[in-house]
Amino acid sequence: ETGVTQTPRHLVMGMTNKKSLKCEQHLGHNAMYWYKQSAKKPLELMFVYSLEERVENNSVPSRFSPECPNSSHLFLHLHTLQPEDSALYLCASSQDYGHGGELFFGEGSRLTVL
Amino acid sequence: QQQVKQSPQSLIVQKGGIPIINCAYENTAFDYFPWYQQFPGKGPALLIAIRPDVSEKKEGRFTISFNKSAKQFSLHIMDSQPGDSATYFCAASHTGGFKTIFGAGTRLFVKA
Repeated sequence: ETGVTQTPRHLVMGMTNKKSLKCEQHLGHNAMYWYKQSAKKPLELMFVYSLEERVENNSVPSRFSPECPNSSHLFLHLHTLQPEDSALYLCASSQDYGHGGELFFGEGSRLTVL
Repeated sequence: QQQVKQSPQSLIVQKGGIPIINCAYENTAFDYFPWYQQFPGKGPALLIAIRPDVSEKKEGRFTISFNKSAKQFSLHIMDSQPGDSATYFCAASHTGGFKTIFGAGTRLFVKA
């Protein structure tokens, strides 16, 4: 495996479900990110981790809960989501915290909330 | 101050044409301006980037032009090909920071 891999690629969930998105990076990077991509809108930064420590929580509702057990893995735990949360969720990594402009993205997890 | 404005929203060109995508920013603290290319079903991939100490950067058929005084930068794709059909995002960040501000994207279609 190379680069940044995300699973699952597609997820459909009801508003009362609990699910998790997983991201793994094989680049030896020290910073990892969650972005939300909605149609015709700029990518929205959700969370940033540097060496497993959260450094940014960009006013994201508490129904999204990130977890970074080590510098290679990142999770996004989802519970009681709303239909407007349907979007493509992208994981990214960068060499370190100070290189946030040079991002390596995974292919994303397409989330549909019914 | 934190916005990056990108235009046009969509663009159709003939094969061999030179599509131009424009971006403008406000925050003069930005010192790194990348462009990302995204194909359907894929994540964005870093295409080319520029720092404000140069006015132009070329990599293959892709060129960034940068106008520091106007706080604008643009992407030109020379001899465009159908395989260049994708969504392009401009972005801005500053060295030492983790935040990258993205434009809303331009969907490019190159007709064969």
